[in-house]
Amino acid sequence: NAGVMQNPRHLVRRRGQEARLRCSPMKGHSHVYWYRQLPEEGLKFMVYLQKENIIDESGMPKERFSAEFPKEGPSILRIQQVVRGDSAAYFCASSLVGQNTEAFFGQGTRLTVV
Amino acid sequence: SQELEQSPQSLIVQEGKNLTINCTSSKTLYGLYWYKQKYGEGLIFLMMLQKGGEEKSHEKITAKLDEKKQQSSLHITASQPSHAGIYLCGVGNAGNMLTFGGGTRLMVKP
Repeated sequence: NAGVMQNPRHLVRRRGQEARLRCSPMKGHSHVYWYRQLPEEGLKFMVYLQKENIIDESGMPKERFSAEFPKEGPSILRIQQVVRGDSAAYFCASSLVGQNTEAFFGQGTRLTVV
Repeated sequence: SQELEQSPQSLIVQEGKNLTINCTSSKTLYGLYWYKQKYGEGLIFLMMLQKGGEEKSHEKITAKLDEKKQQSSLHITASQPSHAGIYLCGVGNAGNMLTFGGGTRLMVKP
């Protein structure tokens, strides 16, 4: 059983471009969470999705960021018009159920905005 | 919102020594997760503690939850270089949306 797969592992974008980060949860997991780890800062929750639904996006910046988890295919975190401050490691986690169970993390996507 | 403070922020120990990392919550702890992050990589799940007084062990790592003190501790016995990394404690908000502490960076000198 493959773990949580994120791609790409590294992504370089120029200011103003779009970044698309993909996350395939563990097999059978329908709950997906995105986190961001800024340089020298802690890991912060961004958004929680269940198939085709956004459950909680309280940690997501209001502008330029969006997330989806379609019925088929991976979850996508999309950042439009990237700025230097978006440079960070973005982690995806998945779980089998929505609470009181471990969430498994992917290796992360390291976004660098130049 | 619930906040977690970890201490120490960083730790350097000699191989073979024991060590303890603490995680203190600003609110009552009903459950707590411990993860390990190797530098530049993702998080590895270590343990989940769900009730006060609970203690779990995995290999040489033991974690305890003291709900009265709103604290959890992670203890490593006879540390090895493979234990090096960043240890993160986390609490679930309305489920698995985790709030993490700032992390403890552990280095083990051979």
